[in-house]
Amino acid sequence: RKEVEQDPGPFNVPEGATVAFNCTYSNSASQSFFWYRQDCRKEPKLLMSVYSSGNEDGRFTAQLNRASQYISLLIRDSKLSDSATYLCVVNILAPSGGSYIPTFGRGTSLIVHP
Amino acid sequence: DGGITQSPKYLFRKEGQNVTLSCEQNLNHDAMYWYRQDPGQGLRLIYYSQIVNDFQKGDIAEGYSVSREKKESFPLTVTSAQKNPTAFYLCASINPPLYPFFGEGSRLTVL
Repeated sequence: RKEVEQDPGPFNVPEGATVAFNCTYSNSASQSFFWYRQDCRKEPKLLMSVYSSGNEDGRFTAQLNRASQYISLLIRDSKLSDSATYLCVVNILAPSGGSYIPTFGRGTSLIVHP
Repeated sequence: DGGITQSPKYLFRKEGQNVTLSCEQNLNHDAMYWYRQDPGQGLRLIYYSQIVNDFQKGDIAEGYSVSREKKESFPLTVTSAQKNPTAFYLCASINPPLYPFFGEGSRLTVL
């Protein structure tokens, strides 16, 4: 079983739609959680951190449920420019201890069409 | 400005050749990582280093080697033992528990 699982999609939605992505992780010792955005042939870039209390940045809302080991990202009022791959990232304790390894889901592809 | 610099951005290699990808950071981060990404796939960990002169194998280390002689630098060598090296290679650094910061990546193609 992969340590971080995401539905690869693609999610194909019209402009203005609300879309939700989910991610599950298997290691309960995971420390910190993030959503990244990756455009085609580019490096991943931080979209937002994820906290148990939930956090919002404009049209984007992220939520962490530690009990269920589940992370979500909600995008409201989708724009054409939101088309990208969204990666769930979990910092998992290294086998040797002492540090954390950013561990990625395979990403969820979003296509927003006019 | 602080950041991570990877070079070269594009690299072509003949079969049987070793190549070295450079990764330099001026963020004063202790931990550095190398990932490989294949088309339509997520990032897979090749090697990571938590401190200078120490590094650990990741999930797909076979056919790769690294060094960490300086805090700022973490070069990756793709050896001829790597049977399918064509991929997008990404270097990242972090001061846990903060988020990883990436370089722009190196795209390696084997001819």
